[in-house]
Amino acid sequence: DGGITQSPKYLFRKEGQNVTLSCEQNLNHDAMYWYRQDPGQGLRLIYYSQIVNDFQKGDIAEGYSVSREKKESFPLTVTSAQKNPTAFYLCASSIGFSLDTQYFGPGTRLTVL
Amino acid sequence: AQSVTQLGSHVSVSEGALVLLRCNYSSSVPPYLFWYVQYPNQGLQLLLKYTSAATLVKGINGFEAEFKKSETSFHLTKPSAHMSDAAEYFCAVIPNTGNQFYFGTGTSLTVIP
Repeated sequence: DGGITQSPKYLFRKEGQNVTLSCEQNLNHDAMYWYRQDPGQGLRLIYYSQIVNDFQKGDIAEGYSVSREKKESFPLTVTSAQKNPTAFYLCASSIGFSLDTQYFGPGTRLTVL
Repeated sequence: AQSVTQLGSHVSVSEGALVLLRCNYSSSVPPYLFWYVQYPNQGLQLLLKYTSAATLVKGINGFEAEFKKSETSFHLTKPSAHMSDAAEYFCAVIPNTGNQFYFGTGTSLTVIP
């Protein structure tokens, strides 16, 4: 079955630690995205990648980093510079960039202790 | 800047009653429009999308939405609510200039037995 997987489902981090969230897709999609979801604020775009070895900052990239070394993988690192990292993180992908439906993974809930 | 507004962060309906979730967008040019549904602690699932074809769009689970250019609206409806419809619903837009999804803040639907 094709789809998007995110792991882990729940993640706990101590303040000052970096943590990496995994996102993998086997849909053969070129574009991938990371969103952050907070209650009452909808989804906000962190980073996106249109193609392998290329990525761009979204609206709230500060304190986050990404890589896109393989088409199917787009990991997100939440660094210690992110002041309020506790949130629900969603990864998505689309066939191409712009004007294409985005398909979402199940999400990772990150809690900073 | 493109924005999308969902009126009503919480909507309650009785089982069997009409569901109406409102979405308005700001754009002088009709964009691409989407409705997604999110169940607790899960990713977003596409309900339906408008891509400048028919103005009445039918989606999954009995939902449909009508694009009204004169009102810049894309409201989601379902004739008869079911308990399983209880979830968070997000309206999203890609402007015709198109390089990013913009999500509304979401509407939480409660279905009362």
